[in-house]
Amino acid sequence: DADVTQTPRNRITKTGKRIMLECSQTKGHDRMYWYRQDPGLGLRLIYYSFDVKDINKGEISDGYSVSRQAQAKFSLSLESAIPNQTALYFCATSDRDRSGYTFGSGTRLTVV
Amino acid sequence: GDSVTQMEGPVTLSEEAFLTINCTYTATGYPSLFWYVQYPGEGLQLLLKATKADDKGSNKGFEATYRKETTSFHLEKGSVQVSDSAVYFCALSLNTGNQFYFGTGTSLTVIP
Repeated sequence: DADVTQTPRNRITKTGKRIMLECSQTKGHDRMYWYRQDPGLGLRLIYYSFDVKDINKGEISDGYSVSRQAQAKFSLSLESAIPNQTALYFCATSDRDRSGYTFGSGTRLTVV
Repeated sequence: GDSVTQMEGPVTLSEEAFLTINCTYTATGYPSLFWYVQYPGEGLQLLLKATKADDKGSNKGFEATYRKETTSFHLEKGSVQVSDSAVYFCALSLNTGNQFYFGTGTSLTVIP
């Protein structure tokens, strides 16, 4: 099994719908992150969490919310999806020593 | 602010050619530096890292040296293979920071 698992892998949804992307990890890491990737823009941080009771906004949090249900689970919600939220979304984890991120395989979200 | 700038692509090379992908950074503290690789349809994987000035990270024939005097961390490989075709991201993480800062990515295609 993958260290960081994202579901679903692909999703097409309609404008205005609520959608949740899920992430679970077996690394035992405290820190979890959600990024979106857009062509030519690299990765941009949406939200991050350093433990179950810690949630922080990243640079592009508007239109998104998150929930850290357990140390191993971190979900991202789009309350009312819009077309410019079409992107590739990545979950990542890291340990406290900043030895590097472990990424999931990504969720390709299309909002029509 | 803290940031990473990497050369724009796409880069196309013939097999066995020499590869350089430039990366420079701006940081207020003393960052750790990373190269990540993203193969088609996959998440990002850590390729190599360096945590202090003059350190050299290496993996799979790739190398990068942390140059504080030029604020650079250029990625090099002496002889690329078709299997090296991917997108490469430079990134930094600060000792006191909460996140990684990624470059926009450089797409590499190696042709036989």
